[in-house]
Amino acid sequence: SQKIEQNSEALNIQEGKTATLTCNYTNYSPAYLQWYRQDPGRGPVFLLLIRENEKEKRKERLKVTFDTTLKQSLFHITASQPADSATYLCALDPTGGFKTIFGAGTRLFVKA
Amino acid sequence: GAGVSQSPRYKVAKRGQDVALRCDPISGHVSLFWYQQALGQGPEFLTYFQNEAQLDKSGLPSDRFFAERPEGSVSTLKIQRTQQEDSAVYLCASSLRGRPVSNQPQHFGDGTRLSIL
Repeated sequence: SQKIEQNSEALNIQEGKTATLTCNYTNYSPAYLQWYRQDPGRGPVFLLLIRENEKEKRKERLKVTFDTTLKQSLFHITASQPADSATYLCALDPTGGFKTIFGAGTRLFVKA
Repeated sequence: GAGVSQSPRYKVAKRGQDVALRCDPISGHVSLFWYQQALGQGPEFLTYFQNEAQLDKSGLPSDRFFAERPEGSVSTLKIQRTQQEDSAVYLCASSLRGRPVSNQPQHFGDGTRLSIL
């Protein structure tokens, strides 16, 4: 069956370090993959989208990679700040479908 | 409004009651999605509308769940004869263009937290 897996355990890092979050998927051939941020009690907020023919995408302190051979995306936050503390969700759309499938998310805590 | 608006923010109902959850998408957005999110989990797809047409309802858990978007803007998710397992946050999202070709990001509301006693 189709599946997305994200680090189930929370990630604790020190301010200023780089946070790296992992998203693995099986039995999909997505055309693109998205990352969202979700704060407690709020809806997800779109961060970045990367297409299958793109290896890497950057936006300010954020970087996403997409390896369709490994079926994996990595999400990096450089120079992390306490304000980056949130849950980060990866999401993909099965090719040709209408639905979006989300991972369970990884909670990130950045300590000052 | 500037973003997706959902109401009510919180809803408490007794088991067996019917509830209706409302979503006001961003004006002009073609696509509208409903998701169910359990505590500690990611959003789980329920249904998709392109304008007023419901093109995918494969995620609706049972025939007690019904969604509509009659004029292609506001949408309502209705749950009949609620059960305790329906307790969750219900999220609505909209995006500018239609599926499946579009790869537009989704804009989410802050959800309705439904508690069934």
